[in-house]
Amino acid sequence: AAGVIQSPRHLIKEKRETATLKCYPIPRHDTVYWYQQGPGQDPQFLISFYEKMQSDKGSIPDRFSAQQFSDYHSELNMSSLELGDSALYFCASSFGTGQETFFGQGTRLTVV
Amino acid sequence: AQKVTQAQTEISVVEKEDVTLDCVYETRDTTYYLFWYKQPPSGELVFLIRRNSFDEQNEISGRYSWNFQKSTSSFNFTITASQVVDSAVYFCALVGEGSGNTGKLIFGQGTTLQVKP
Repeated sequence: AAGVIQSPRHLIKEKRETATLKCYPIPRHDTVYWYQQGPGQDPQFLISFYEKMQSDKGSIPDRFSAQQFSDYHSELNMSSLELGDSALYFCASSFGTGQETFFGQGTRLTVV
Repeated sequence: AQKVTQAQTEISVVEKEDVTLDCVYETRDTTYYLFWYKQPPSGELVFLIRRNSFDEQNEISGRYSWNFQKSTSSFNFTITASQVVDSAVYFCALVGEGSGNTGKLIFGQGTTLQVKP
């Protein structure tokens, strides 16, 4: 069965650079979520989209933005990267809220 | 406010022992959903189970079982005859269906399980 696909798997950026993470949800899933997981921490919700419209926003820095495209893939754009942005970034998708929610393998971002 | 508490930070067992991971949640929603995820050392988050608030039946899947008790707001996870491959961080999570809830998962702090051979 198709899973959530994230790219790239690993990314190394310098401070003040920009990064773009991509997510391809499971086909026919109508909701996409982005989470950030720092070392030794639980995943924290960043932002979500329902049918390509932003549906919720968590503690996402103003330097970050995201969108969902007509083909349902989503991108998380991060600018003016800081050392503290180093984390594992997950994309997840579900069909409806409260339903089984599946995660991609994550993108490990390292800011140096 | 919604909250998930996993009081056990780390658990260490010897292979073949049974182990229970505790999860206590708080929510004012009457409809909500509870999840468990496994995060092995490789880092991915693996979906294990989803329960809705109206279904208190315990569930068993192989060596895994879950005990949902609304009276104590708990959704505990038991691994029977643990194996080294069970070593991972396990997260309990909650999604509420109240006004403004959009399906985002509220995670507990996670429990690191180490199974020694």
